[in-house]
Amino acid sequence: GQNIDQPTEMTATEGAIVQINCTYQTSGFNGLFWYQQHAGEAPTFLSYNVLDGLEEKGRFSSFLSRSKGYSYLLLKELQMKDSASYLCAVRGNAGKSTFGDGTTLTVKP
Amino acid sequence: GAVVSQHPSWVICKSGTSVKIECRSLDFQATTMFWYRQFPKQSLMLMATSNEGSKATYEQGVEKDKFLINHASLTLSTLTVTSAHPEDSSFYICSPRDPGQGEAFFGQGTRLTVV
Repeated sequence: GQNIDQPTEMTATEGAIVQINCTYQTSGFNGLFWYQQHAGEAPTFLSYNVLDGLEEKGRFSSFLSRSKGYSYLLLKELQMKDSASYLCAVRGNAGKSTFGDGTTLTVKP
Repeated sequence: GAVVSQHPSWVICKSGTSVKIECRSLDFQATTMFWYRQFPKQSLMLMATSNEGSKATYEQGVEKDKFLINHASLTLSTLTVTSAHPEDSSFYICSPRDPGQGEAFFGQGTRLTVV
């Protein structure tokens, strides 16, 4: 099975940098995803890591260490619109993804 | 990126009635569709996997006779919530198995409220 842990809530200030951590224990691994989800909406894709290292995409970066079962999502230059829930998900066998409970990020002025 | 259209975006129904949710992949052939459910302040939970032309596979604890899944074509999968009850009120989201690697897409989601 899959077990995914991420903090429940985080608060940060506009313009700052925030790192959301995710640890996982899985029986199969075919990549780790990060999604952003605003209240009442479906998740939107942010990043995908399958190899160790850092993937950068604009203000968002994601890091993966497979040996440690660890990933983080880094958000730079925070904006008010970044207030949302951030979901860590691990894709296992047969293409199925297991989601963490999500981290609710609140960006304050 | 792949485009997935889910309909309806929200529905209110009476207890005991059935509701059908459609999920269409508009620009690629989805041989496999994942159906998720999300209760308030909780994460997405996989309910079932539909496969074009064959029976869906359900996750443990999900009643297959209550949540009917049909995947009759490569572009359309449907989820029917039968004899809905208030506890079925939730956010239902479809997601096709990604055609390539490295990205995943979701339908817009369906907010079901059973009164």
